[in-house]
Amino acid sequence: NAGVMQNPRHLVRRRGQEARLRCSPMKGHSHVYWYRQLPEEGLKFMVYLQKENIIDESGMPKERFSAEFPKEGPSILRIQQVVRGDSAAYFCASSPLGQGAGNTIYFGEGSWLTVV
Amino acid sequence: AQTVTQSQPEMSVQEAETVTLSCTYDTSESNYYLFWYKQPPSRQMILVIRQEAYKQQNATENRFSVNFQKAAKSFSLKISDSQLGDTAMYFCAFMKLSGGGADGLTFGKGTHLIIQP
Repeated sequence: NAGVMQNPRHLVRRRGQEARLRCSPMKGHSHVYWYRQLPEEGLKFMVYLQKENIIDESGMPKERFSAEFPKEGPSILRIQQVVRGDSAAYFCASSPLGQGAGNTIYFGEGSWLTVV
Repeated sequence: AQTVTQSQPEMSVQEAETVTLSCTYDTSESNYYLFWYKQPPSRQMILVIRQEAYKQQNATENRFSVNFQKAAKSFSLKISDSQLGDTAMYFCAFMKLSGGGADGLTFGKGTHLIIQP
């Protein structure tokens, strides 16, 4: 049973470009979460999605960031017009039910975005 | 809002020793879960142990155990017979049990644990 799969593992973008990070949840998991880890920091919640629905995006910056989890295919975290401050590790996680049900969530290996 | 505090940025112990990592949290919730995650140099986030707040018994997983003091809002991790492979960042995390809500995990800033040979 494959775990949470993220790609790319490493991504370099110039300022002003777009970054797209993909996440395939564990088999049987319909809930996806994105977290961001800045250097020397813990992970911070960004967004929680179910298939075709954004449930909570309270942790996501209002501008330039968007996320989707379509009916078919992986979840996508999109960052437009990247700036140096977007350089971070972006972790995707999934669970079979919502976090409110107390399920443990499982993390992918992360995608490292470097903005130059 | 919840906060999680890990007051030890870095700790170093000899192999085979026992080490305790501290974590305190602040919340007004009565139902919640607490976790310890390990992040080795590979940077993957690995679940170490989980504790339901309604359970009085402390969780254990092989060499890993917790000391959960609900009244004090303390959740420390004890690693017995430490091994070189335990070297990693350890993050304490809080999750509110919100009955279907969307609250994410709240993480502390982490403790860098180094196991010396």
